[in-house]
Amino acid sequence: NAGVTQTPKFRVLKTGQSMTLLCAQDMNHEYMYWYRQDPGMGLRLIHYSVGEGTTAKGEVPDGYNVSRLKKQNFLLGLESAAPSQTSVYFCASTRTSGGFETQYFGPGTRLLVL
Amino acid sequence: GENVEQHPSTLSVQEGDSAVIKCTYSDSASNYFPWYKQELGKGPQLIIDIRSNVGEKKDQRIAVTLNKTAKHFSLHITETQPEDSAVYFCAASILGGLTGGGNKLTFGTGTQLKVEL
Repeated sequence: NAGVTQTPKFRVLKTGQSMTLLCAQDMNHEYMYWYRQDPGMGLRLIHYSVGEGTTAKGEVPDGYNVSRLKKQNFLLGLESAAPSQTSVYFCASTRTSGGFETQYFGPGTRLLVL
Repeated sequence: GENVEQHPSTLSVQEGDSAVIKCTYSDSASNYFPWYKQELGKGPQLIIDIRSNVGEKKDQRIAVTLNKTAKHFSLHITETQPEDSAVYFCAASILGGLTGGGNKLTFGTGTQLKVEL
């Protein structure tokens, strides 16, 4: 099992450009999450999905969109990138929400918006 | 919403010494407290967790304590080794706290632990 993988690992964008970050998991997990990590601020939840075809907003959703067309994939889109979106983005997944399920994190995507 | 504070932001110890990282949370409804270790260039990895009905949990050199009354929990690493050097994050969660049933983790700001030889 590869676990949680993220593509790309690193990307540089110019302000106003768009891009999509891909998260894939091979553990048949129902729940998937997108976080951003900024210095001195820990990880903050952007969007999450409780199953195929469903998405919901997290703590900091503005400027991002997501889609979960397949159970194993969770896409994070930036329609018009801004310098404030420079960050490291992590995807995570859990089998269910029941109990105290471990969140498995991917290796991250480092994004620089100029 | 939940707010988690974590101290210290950096911690340097000698190999073999103990390290303690402390976190406080604000929402008394939080009932799950995981700790994550993040090595350079990697995603966070769960190292230990504790539920609100337990006061202490130990796993080899790592232990976590929880004081629900004071709303704080701590990570204890004994006999530290160079491979323990990493950033450690605490988090607090309310089971099913997200719409749809997902668990919302609120993270602390992280502690950079350096174990010196």
